[in-house]
Amino acid sequence: GENVEQHPSTLSVQEGDSAVIKCTYSDSASNYFPWYKQELGKGPQLIIDIRSNVGEKKDQRIAVTLNKTAKHFSLHITETQPEDSAVYFCAALQGDSNYQLIWGAGTKLIIKP
Amino acid sequence: NAGVTQTPKFQVLKTGQSMTLQCAQDMNHNSMYWYRQDPGMGLRLIYYSASEGTTDKGEVPNGYNVSRLNKREFSLRLESAAPSQTSVYFCASSRGGAADTQYFGPGTRLTVL
Repeated sequence: GENVEQHPSTLSVQEGDSAVIKCTYSDSASNYFPWYKQELGKGPQLIIDIRSNVGEKKDQRIAVTLNKTAKHFSLHITETQPEDSAVYFCAALQGDSNYQLIWGAGTKLIIKP
Repeated sequence: NAGVTQTPKFQVLKTGQSMTLQCAQDMNHNSMYWYRQDPGMGLRLIYYSASEGTTDKGEVPNGYNVSRLNKREFSLRLESAAPSQTSVYFCASSRGGAADTQYFGPGTRLTVL
């Protein structure tokens, strides 16, 4: 089955700098890769996703890149702001399922003022 | 439009007790999911329901049962709680499969003593 590894587990950056979180996956049949943001005491919320027929996707300050050959994808946040502080999760849709996401362990992003 | 609601928010059980976690969505979504979230492990899928009247096992179904009562409601039952089931439980829904945006409830924090 699918396995998703996420790094780093904690990331501390200065406000205004960029942050990059990386994930690797094992199932070459996976074709959908979302990123969710979880604020303290709340459920995760989708912030961006990418499908396997696309190499990069941007939405304002956030972008996701996908390298299918190397089986890794990354979240990029530019011009970080205090409200970006949260836990970020990557996930991959298991190749033989339309309903099962396999999640990374999460990255706690801390924005220093 | 409340989105996804879960009850209760907090619960403490003794080993061997039973309880049902309730979840409802008002977005007319077809698919609903139950996850557990443990520190350092991301989210793991317990059960899902692709449509009203159907349920399927996810990654960690042992010790749990589910009921898709109607299109809006999806409950999770612990028949005989164990300390290993101490976790935060999230319900989610999506219009189609997991490659559609999943909307999460606020979670239930369960402690089994």
